[in-house]
Amino acid sequence: EAEVAQSPRYKITEKSQAVAFWCDPISGHATLYWYRQILGQGPELLVQFQDESVVDDSQLPKDRFSAERLKGVDSTLKIQPAELGDSAMYLCASSLRLAGVSGELFFGEGSRLTVL
Amino acid sequence: DAKTTQPNSMESNEEEPVHLPCNHSTISGTDYIHWYRQLPSQGPEYVIHGLTSNVNNRMASLAIAEDRKSSTLILHRATLRDAAVYYCILLSSSNTGKLIFGQGTTLQVKP
Repeated sequence: EAEVAQSPRYKITEKSQAVAFWCDPISGHATLYWYRQILGQGPELLVQFQDESVVDDSQLPKDRFSAERLKGVDSTLKIQPAELGDSAMYLCASSLRLAGVSGELFFGEGSRLTVL
Repeated sequence: DAKTTQPNSMESNEEEPVHLPCNHSTISGTDYIHWYRQLPSQGPEYVIHGLTSNVNNRMASLAIAEDRKSSTLILHRATLRDAAVYYCILLSSSNTGKLIFGQGTTLQVKP
């Protein structure tokens, strides 16, 4: 069964360092999402792509976070500089299309970030 | 997007049915009701969704109240693997797929 691939699975970094996460969605999925999940809370959308275009980045802290999906396939989420409050699970998800009706998003296992 | 209310936690015994409630009194006519669950240390996974009629799939059943102000996710025979956080989410048909997760219900399954 096709899966959303994410790496690294775990990342420990010191504050003020740069960190990057990579996501490879299910083949053929045009829509890609990055979510952040703080321990004990539900996931929160950071950015949504439709192909290579950003659909929604209203919750992305743009002073330190950036996301790109240059060829409309895989995507990278970067944090520079990392802060202690960025410690969280970063989840990538994909869907076949803008999932307004079918609503089925496929999530990866996530990348757990710890900032020291 | 309309808000949902779920109990923080529930317990069940293994092999017994589980009914997970969700209230969504401000639901609009174009809102679909979606359920996702998140197993420990994993990303969320889709469970089921519906609009007005009850729905069944291999994982669960979704019972939707006639006025659509509440719904219930039914796991027919809980297993230990069903221990997870269950999220009830409303998604408008005009929505681009942006899921807004609440706190969800943490389901514990006892052997």
